Amino acid sequence: QVQLVESGGGVVQPGKSLRLSCAASGFTFTSHGMHWVRQAPGKGLEWVASVSYDERNKYYADSVKGRFIVSRDNSKNTLHLQMDSLRPDDTAVYYCARDRYNLLILISWFDFWGQGTLVTVSS
Amino acid sequence: IVLTQSPGTLSLSPGERATLSCRASQSVTDNYLAWYQQKRGQAPRLLIYGASNRATGIPDRFSGSGSGTDFTLTISRLEPEDFAVYYCQQYGRSPVTTFGGGTKVEIK
Repeated sequence: QVQLVESGGGVVQPGKSLRLSCAASGFTFTSHGMHWVRQAPGKGLEWVASVSYDERNKYYADSVKGRFIVSRDNSKNTLHLQMDSLRPDDTAVYYCARDRYNLLILISWFDFWGQGTLVTVSS
Repeated sequence: IVLTQSPGTLSLSPGERATLSCRASQSVTDNYLAWYQQKRGQAPRLLIYGASNRATGIPDRFSGSGSGTDFTLTISRLEPEDFAVYYCQQYGRSPVTTFGGGTKVEIK
């Protein structure tokens, strides 16, 4: 069955960096685009970033553009999110999610989600 | 595209019908709209895609409808496990995807 397991969250000071990972299994990783979505405590869902199956296309929310980088290692079935210059308002649970398709032409619906990893930005 | 969900909270009893609204600030291309359910402490789960297509394993008491800028998620008869927060999402050719603010369905 499809499994997405995030890791790498924790407490970090403002201005510092953190790298999240999402280990995928149970499906052909190279056939799907992947996404990061976050949820601040008590708030709704916010899309963060997306990457196509081959890394040809990468998209970012304005709130993280220039600070976050999404990447993937298809040899290890792993998605990453490099987060630099972190701010207190980046505090959230970060979910990885699978796109229904490969994300070469368009973003589709998110058909599977991981359980999330909590990132807390605080001094 | 900004998605506005209403009401913010819906207080209903098990067995009742729930009607949730999602309104878009501009027309959603090809009805590229999805609905997700999120229970407390859990990840979101896909319910509906393409405005009206149920995802695999979703009970038929969940249905989606609408087009253009107005979309609806209907739960025909609420089961105890349906009390949760529901989000709509627009996707498609734009490189940006957005979620609505959510509707909480709580037990009355």
